[in-house]
Amino acid sequence: EMQLVESGGGLVRPGGSLRLSCEASGFTFGLYTMNWVRQAPGKGLEWVSSISSRSDYIYFADSVKGRFSISRDNAKNSVYLHMNSLRVEDTALYYCAREAGDRGFDPWGQGALVTVSS
Amino acid sequence: IVLTQSPGTLSLSPGERATLSCRASGTFSSSYLAWYQKKPGQAPRLLIYGASSRATGIPDRFSGSGSGTDFTLTISRLEPEDFAVYYCQQYHGSPYTFGQGTKLEI
Repeated sequence: EMQLVESGGGLVRPGGSLRLSCEASGFTFGLYTMNWVRQAPGKGLEWVSSISSRSDYIYFADSVKGRFSISRDNAKNSVYLHMNSLRVEDTALYYCAREAGDRGFDPWGQGALVTVSS
Repeated sequence: IVLTQSPGTLSLSPGERATLSCRASGTFSSSYLAWYQKKPGQAPRLLIYGASSRATGIPDRFSGSGSGTDFTLTISRLEPEDFAVYYCQQYHGSPYTFGQGTKLEI
């Protein structure tokens, strides 16, 4: 069974930093592009970032560009979202998701909650 | 590409047919249009990819259609578990975008 498990969420002050992790199992992690998607309280889904299988293509939403970075360790079946200069509006549930080529995002993790508040 | 979903909320009863719309601000390959179901406390669930292909394990009452800038998700006969929020997504090129969602309520 394919599975993604996020960790690293928590409460952080505005301007602070946090690193989210996502560990994969049940599929050959090193073959797939991975994505982070977030959902702020009461809002819709917002794509945040993606990293290709060999880390040669990396993209960010404009809302996080210059503040967030993404990396992966294929030996550890893990992808990371490094969040700096956090803002109140970054408060959200952050999901990692596998990009299955032209077959959409599947599966998704259960999410890691990030709360930015003073 | 901006995706606009309509209606914002759809009120129907079990057994009825639901038709959800997703309109794009520009054209892209329909091979990269997906639909997801989102329930509170659960991860998004892929329903449809490539505009019309059902994901693994998705019941055949869910169907997708469309091309160019207009796409539709149809649920032929609503079951109680289908009441949720539905999102369309384009994943053809960065930035990937989601529609704002359609809430399907009883």
